[in-house]
Amino acid sequence: DAGVIQSPRHEVTEMGQEVTLRCKPISGHDYLFWYRQTMMRGLELLIYFNNNVPIDDSGMPEDRFSAKMPNASFSTLKIQPSEPRDSAVYFCASSPHHNEQFFGPGTRLTVL
Amino acid sequence: AQKITQTQPGMFVQEKEAVTLDCTYDTSDPSYGLFWYKQPSSGEMIFLIYQGSYDQQNATEGRYSLNFQKARKSANLVISASQLGDSAMYFCAFAGGGADGLTFGKGTHLIIQP
Repeated sequence: DAGVIQSPRHEVTEMGQEVTLRCKPISGHDYLFWYRQTMMRGLELLIYFNNNVPIDDSGMPEDRFSAKMPNASFSTLKIQPSEPRDSAVYFCASSPHHNEQFFGPGTRLTVL
Repeated sequence: AQKITQTQPGMFVQEKEAVTLDCTYDTSDPSYGLFWYKQPSSGEMIFLIYQGSYDQQNATEGRYSLNFQKARKSANLVISASQLGDSAMYFCAFAGGGADGLTFGKGTHLIIQP
């Protein structure tokens, strides 16, 4: 398996623009997680899905952030409108059960 | 809310020595899991080892072992025979209380010196 795939790997955009991050989990994994990593706040859970259903979105910063999982092999994290403070590395991870989570390579987002 | 504490912001260790990275947690949940991840300078998150709260034995994976002391709420990572390639950030993480998402510590920056 290719592992968790994220695209794009790098994204530079201007404040106010819409940003869409994409994730393909490992086939057969029932759980999908979105995390954000910044120097100030470290690694934070944003939202996670189980069998394509959002279970906990309490980590989503505000209404500008939304996440979807239309099927078992694809998820998106959207920021609209983006702000400079959204600059971070966004990780997607998937898991077959309650144990290890396998992380994607991350998307480095820079909002100017 | 669960809390994970890593008290060592940075560590310098001589190659081939054993390394212990500290991690303590705070929870009232009886069922939980503890994880360690490695993040090299390239940025990816690499899963190292997992320990369940009900596991009878300490987890081991190759050169990695977890010194799990439940009563003290600590889950220290031990790396035996350290190598230059072990230089990285190491994160301890917790999952419990019926939630599946991970709560991460602030990490320890480990540098292995030749």
